[in-house]
Amino acid sequence: DSGVTQTPKHLITATGQRVTLRCSPRSGDLSVYWYQQSLDQGLQFLIQYYNGEERAKGNILERFSAQQFPDLHSELNLSSLELGDSALYFCASSTQGSTDTQYFGPGTRLTVL
Amino acid sequence: DAKTTQPPSMDCAEGRAANLPCNHSTISGNEYVYWYRQIHSQGPQYIIHGLKNNETNEMASLIITEDRKSSTLILPHATLRDTAVYYCIVRYNTGGFKTIFGAGTRLFVKA
Repeated sequence: DSGVTQTPKHLITATGQRVTLRCSPRSGDLSVYWYQQSLDQGLQFLIQYYNGEERAKGNILERFSAQQFPDLHSELNLSSLELGDSALYFCASSTQGSTDTQYFGPGTRLTVL
Repeated sequence: DAKTTQPPSMDCAEGRAANLPCNHSTISGNEYVYWYRQIHSQGPQYIIHGLKNNETNEMASLIITEDRKSSTLILPHATLRDTAVYYCIVRYNTGGFKTIFGAGTRLFVKA
């Protein structure tokens, strides 16, 4: 158990809909990272937040957005969903102190029908 | 972030050492080498990281060449539960930088 929690575990929705994925980092970690893993793409870095502010951006679509709240939990919002958005979404957290080891949550499996 | 090159798959006999290579010829002086693994569709699991010295922990050893252009992850006594995809990543240790996962090496540990 990494200490990172993600909800929900599974999510099934329809095209065009909007969903929100939630991540709670390990206690004391200030950074949160989001990744997408689909069958043909591998692990793709989406975005990083540090203490509430966006720190780095990867291949995140404009239909996707994220934020980190004052209590340091983070949400990833996916809108206008397409079939190709079906994937595992992982959240990771790190201290961003002297080391930046990322600890991953169990993931949310999103299925868009 | 530097790119890494890993063999797509490897086999290892149970109880033997598994040596997983990684090339990172464009690594810069301040970039660390990290290893993670992913078992089935679980979240990736941190294994070990290092800058230039060899490192060892309860899971594995990391050997980094003197020129830092390649490294080897060693699982000293592989078990069936070590069957997973192993990712080698190089990145700066702090700051806002993208973390780029490659395709990794699929390790099959056989009885």
